[in-house]
Amino acid sequence: NAGVTQTPKFQVLKTGQSMTLQCAQDMNHEYMSWYRQDPGMGLRLIHYSVGAGITDQGEVPNGYNVSRSTTEDFPLRLLSAAPSQTSVYFCASSYSGRPSYEQYFGPGTRLTVT
Amino acid sequence: QKEVEQDPGPLSVPEGAIVSLNCTYSNSAFQYFMWYRQYSRKGPELLMYTYSSGNKEDGRFTAQVDKSSKYISLFIRDSQPSDSATYLCAMAISGNTGKLIFGQGTTLQVKP
Repeated sequence: NAGVTQTPKFQVLKTGQSMTLQCAQDMNHEYMSWYRQDPGMGLRLIHYSVGAGITDQGEVPNGYNVSRSTTEDFPLRLLSAAPSQTSVYFCASSYSGRPSYEQYFGPGTRLTVT
Repeated sequence: QKEVEQDPGPLSVPEGAIVSLNCTYSNSAFQYFMWYRQYSRKGPELLMYTYSSGNKEDGRFTAQVDKSSKYISLFIRDSQPSDSATYLCAMAISGNTGKLIFGQGTTLQVKP
């Protein structure tokens, strides 16, 4: 099993550009989430999904879109990048049944917006 | 104010010391309490979890939950340099455990 994979590992964008961060998991997990991590802020939930076709907003959803067409994939779209979106982005997945609190995290994508 | 508060540290201790890490929270609906460990430039990994109140022990690690005070703790006994990492508390509401709320994380350094 590859677990949770994320691409790209690093990305530099200019203000106003759009891009998609990719996330895939091969564990047949129903729950998938996107977090951003900033110094001193911990992990903040952006969007999450409890299954294909079902998504919901987290704590900091503005400026990001998600969709979940398959169980395996959960891409995160930045519509118009802003310097405030410079961060490390983590994707995570977990089982819908117990213990769904055990989220498996990908290696992260480091994004810089200039 | 964040739902979950955690002192970011950094915390520096000598090898062999007992380490105490803490979080407070405001949402009384939280039922699942977790500690994740994150090494530098890696994704977090689940270290321990507790359901509702009480203690849980796993080797050198003990997790405690006091729901009456809305306070959780992680104790590390006989700390080792390999324990140097960022420790994040996380919480979830029963029935919605796919949605975790994390604290800010505490950076721990254990010096040989």
